[in-house]
Amino acid sequence: AAGVIQSPRHLIKEKRETATLKCYPIPRHDTVYWYQQGPGQDPQFLISFYEKMQSDKGSIPDRFSAQQFSDYHSELNMSSLELGDSALYFCASSLGSGSDYNEQFFGPGTRLTVL
Amino acid sequence: AQKITQTQPGMFVQEKEAVTLDCTYDTSDQSYGLFWYKQPSSGEMIFLIYQGSYDEQNATEGRYSLNFQKARKSANLVISASQLGDSAMYFCAIAGNDNDMRFGAGTRLTVKP
Repeated sequence: AAGVIQSPRHLIKEKRETATLKCYPIPRHDTVYWYQQGPGQDPQFLISFYEKMQSDKGSIPDRFSAQQFSDYHSELNMSSLELGDSALYFCASSLGSGSDYNEQFFGPGTRLTVL
Repeated sequence: AQKITQTQPGMFVQEKEAVTLDCTYDTSDQSYGLFWYKQPSSGEMIFLIYQGSYDEQNATEGRYSLNFQKARKSANLVISASQLGDSAMYFCAIAGNDNDMRFGAGTRLTVKP
């Protein structure tokens, strides 16, 4: 079965550079979530999209932005990168949003290292 | 807002024995969902089991079962017949009305041969 695809899987950037992470949800899934997991930390919710509209916002820094496109894939744009942005970034997708607790399927993650 | 507490940073279990991983939660939402994920050293997040707040029966998925005690706000994961491949980090998570997931700090389980 198709799973969530994230690209790239690994990314190395320097401080103050920009990075773009991509997420391709499971086909027919309309909701995408982004999480950040620092070393030894639990995943922290950043932002989510439902039907191409932002549905909720968590601890996403102002330097980051994200969007969901017409084909439901999503991109997380990160600017003015800092050392503390080094983390594993997960994308998850689900079918539907609102009051149903739909199972979120996680992608393999993108490991970002900022030097 | 939701909060998950996992009080066991690390746990050891002998192969083929059962183990319980603790999880307590706090939420102001009347209805919510509770999830357990497994994260091996490779870093992927693997969904294990889900319990809805209105489900009267405890969820089970193969060797995984969720001991849901709503009044105590606990959702402990029970793994029966532990296998060496169960060694991993385990996260408990909660999703409320916004459906966004909040994770606990995790428990690192080590299965000993």
